[in-house]
Amino acid sequence: AQRVTQPEKLLSVFKGAPVELKCNYSYSGSPELFWYVQYSRQRLQLLLRHISRESIKGFTADLNKGETSFHLKKPFAQEEDSAMYYCATGDSWGKLQFGAGTQVVVTP
Amino acid sequence: NAGVTQTPKFQVLKTGQSMTLQCAQDMNHEYMSWYRQDPGMGLRLIHYSVGAGITDQGEVPNGYNVSRSTTEDFPLRLLSAAPSQTSVYFCASRKTGNTEAFFGQGTRLTVV
Repeated sequence: AQRVTQPEKLLSVFKGAPVELKCNYSYSGSPELFWYVQYSRQRLQLLLRHISRESIKGFTADLNKGETSFHLKKPFAQEEDSAMYYCATGDSWGKLQFGAGTQVVVTP
Repeated sequence: NAGVTQTPKFQVLKTGQSMTLQCAQDMNHEYMSWYRQDPGMGLRLIHYSVGAGITDQGEVPNGYNVSRSTTEDFPLRLLSAAPSQTSVYFCASRKTGNTEAFFGQGTRLTVV
């Protein structure tokens, strides 16, 4: 069974500081991994996915199969990064399993 | 392009009442799902469908029913509302495969 663990419920960082959100997963087979973000009063939206290896809004995430991790990083946090972040695994049928989420608060 | 549309946005129910949360998508996505979002628990899958006529249970299906008569619509029915069903409900759709999921704006349900 898929399982996604986000150990931090709340991450408070200063503007300009690096931020790292941890995500560990358990999955049998080759996982699809995603980070979704929910800004205040908005719907969830895709931030990035591991297969595209892209950087969105300065965020990157590296898949480490040995450690079964997919941590999200940004070198310099901005106030507009304050949001709820969810790590998720997906299967080939389309089912997504989400972690509990990490609330990021960026203070000036 | 409407994407995923959920109605209503807000709802207050009395214990024991029934209601249907509506979800529609116009992207011809095969996969649709319902999640509930509770503090500290993330999004938990209630029911999902991989195509018209096919539905299956997720992680927390008790107290909810779904049907998928068309590709576009995936309503969620609360049979007899309970205070434990107070939550924010999200509908999502996705093409099968490694693709982006699109979410509705959510329904905030309170059961008193």
